[in-house]
Amino acid sequence: SQQGEEDPQALSIQEGENATMNCSYKTSINNLQWYRQNSGRGLVHLILIRSNEREKHSGRLRVTLDTSKKSSSLLITASRAADTASYFCATDPGNTGKLIFGQGTTLQVKP
Amino acid sequence: GAVVSQHPSWVICKSGTSVKIECRSLDFQATTMFWYRQFPKQSLMLMATSNEGSKATYEQGVEKDKFLINHASLTLSTLTVTSAHPEDSSFYICSASPGLAGGITDTQYFGPGTRLTVL
Repeated sequence: SQQGEEDPQALSIQEGENATMNCSYKTSINNLQWYRQNSGRGLVHLILIRSNEREKHSGRLRVTLDTSKKSSSLLITASRAADTASYFCATDPGNTGKLIFGQGTTLQVKP
Repeated sequence: GAVVSQHPSWVICKSGTSVKIECRSLDFQATTMFWYRQFPKQSLMLMATSNEGSKATYEQGVEKDKFLINHASLTLSTLTVTSAHPEDSSFYICSASPGLAGGITDTQYFGPGTRLTVL
């Protein structure tokens, strides 16, 4: 499979806690993207980090990228019940727009 | 941000019938759109690349005669599932990027998805 790995597969935390999800990929990349998917819905783009960037912030989100380890992490700080969703990382190894998605992490934030 | 719509949002059909799903970029033009399929509790798998004015390119294992793709304009791509069977039941999602040009990829915007149930 060309898909990357994500861990954990499922994560359950209390509101206010931080959530960290990890993603590993297999080929060299120009950028890596993180998406959120609420149950039965489409994907919402969260953040794009380019291969020459090591860390990027957007609101309560922090993404890191380690190209030497072919891995990325998504940190959600001060989580809210509304953050409950599945989170996917995606890469585009061929620079063609064809995204390869990780397996996803299902996050549950309990109020 | 850029908006991509899909229609219908859900459809139930009988086995053997064909179903058409539309994907529209509402506020930008997209020479390329992508179709993904997602089975329950699984990730998205790319099915095909829809190219405006030319034939779609399909990923390995995806039957082009079963999943017909037409990219008639710069804002519309359609996916027709022909002779649908229960195993085709899935969540179909399209995406497009306003920044896809010159080999430089950018943020992909996804439609809300279409839930297909084949009885």
